Amino acid sequence: DAGVIQSPRHEVTEMGQEVTLRCKPISGHDYLFWYRQTMMRGLELLIYFNNNVPIDDSGMPEDRFSAKMPNASFSTLKIQPSEPRDSAVYFCASSLSAGGSYEQYFGPGTRLTVT
Amino acid sequence: AQKITQTQPGMFVQEKEAVTLDCTYDTSDPSYGLFWYKQPSSGEMIFLIYQGSYDQQNATEGRYSLNFQKARKSANLVISASQLGDSAMYFCAMRERDFGNEKLTFGTGTRLTIIP
Repeated sequence: DAGVIQSPRHEVTEMGQEVTLRCKPISGHDYLFWYRQTMMRGLELLIYFNNNVPIDDSGMPEDRFSAKMPNASFSTLKIQPSEPRDSAVYFCASSLSAGGSYEQYFGPGTRLTVT
Repeated sequence: AQKITQTQPGMFVQEKEAVTLDCTYDTSDPSYGLFWYKQPSSGEMIFLIYQGSYDQQNATEGRYSLNFQKARKSANLVISASQLGDSAMYFCAMRERDFGNEKLTFGTGTRLTIIP
């Protein structure tokens, strides 16, 4: 089975530009998470969805960040306008809320560099 | 206060030796879950092992085991017979299980280096 798929894997953009990160969760998983990882702040949860509905977006840094999940197999994280401090690795993860440990499975990440 | 504390920023261990990575946590929720993830230099996050707060026995997965000491609020990861491929960052994480809460809080990680 395919794992969590993220695209692009690397993104370099100039300050002020719009950036869209994409994620396809594992088929059948009902939770989707967006994380950001930096050296300074570690791994931070930005937002998560359950059955395509945003549940908690308290980790979203500011209004420049938005996330959508139009269907069970696709989600986007958009930054508009981007700033150099947004440079980080962005992970998408998914999990299944049916018994067991509900562990989250992570995608390979998108390394974003804003110049 | 930090919810997850990993006090070892880096560790060097001889190949084939066992290694213990420390993790302490802080929660007042009686129901919670503890996780360990591995992040190799390639960057992906790999789930290793899970321990539920009500589990009576320590979790084990192959060479990984979790030394769960509930009264001390510690959840140390033990890797037996370490291999060169175990060199990576290791993160401890906790999920406090309020209804509908699936948020994971991660520690700062421990960088493990296995020496041949």
